[in-house]
Amino acid sequence: RKEVEQDPGPFNVPEGATVAFNCTYSNSASQSFFWYRQDCRKEPKLLMSVYSSGNEDGRFTAQLNRASQYISLLIRDSKLSDSATYLCVVNRLSGGSYIPTFGRGTSLIVHP
Amino acid sequence: DTGVSQNPRHKITKRGQNVTFRCDPISEHNRLYWYRQTLGQGPEFLTYFQNEAQLEKSRLLSDRFSAERPKGSFSTLEIQRTEQGDSAMYLCASSLGGLTYEQYFGPGTRLTVT
Repeated sequence: RKEVEQDPGPFNVPEGATVAFNCTYSNSASQSFFWYRQDCRKEPKLLMSVYSSGNEDGRFTAQLNRASQYISLLIRDSKLSDSATYLCVVNRLSGGSYIPTFGRGTSLIVHP
Repeated sequence: DTGVSQNPRHKITKRGQNVTFRCDPISEHNRLYWYRQTLGQGPEFLTYFQNEAQLEKSRLLSDRFSAERPKGSFSTLEIQRTEQGDSAMYLCASSLGGLTYEQYFGPGTRLTVT
């Protein structure tokens, strides 16, 4: 089993739709979780951190479920500009150090 | 531009040659990370530095790979005796501190080994 898993998609949704992605992790000692956005042929950029209590930033909501070992990202009222790959990052314990581990990303395509 | 910069942006080399990439982080950032990304995959962690100290190396980093950050500022990643499987995007990122801090990525160096 991969340490961080994401459904690669693509998720193909119309403008205005609500879409949710999950990211599961295997190491229960993991901490510090993030969602990054990566546009085609560009570098990843931070979308939002994921806090234990859940957090919201405009149309985006991130949640952490430690018991089931996953984080989620909810996008409401999708815009064409939301089309991108969404990468989750988990800092997992490995050999005494925490290593940032990315999922393979979930592709989102928002169409008119 | 005060972001993370990487040079060169593209490198084409023949199998067996050595290549070196440079990363200039955001000036006040003390952590610097190297990743490798191939098509359809997320960035894979290679190594990271806290100031000039290399604190962790992935098992992906074979003995052909070496990284340095001599004065705690810019960093270099060298690949010796390149193989076709080394073809990838090499990304550098920096952050102000540890785990809870956002990483800022550079535009990457795309390596093609022929």
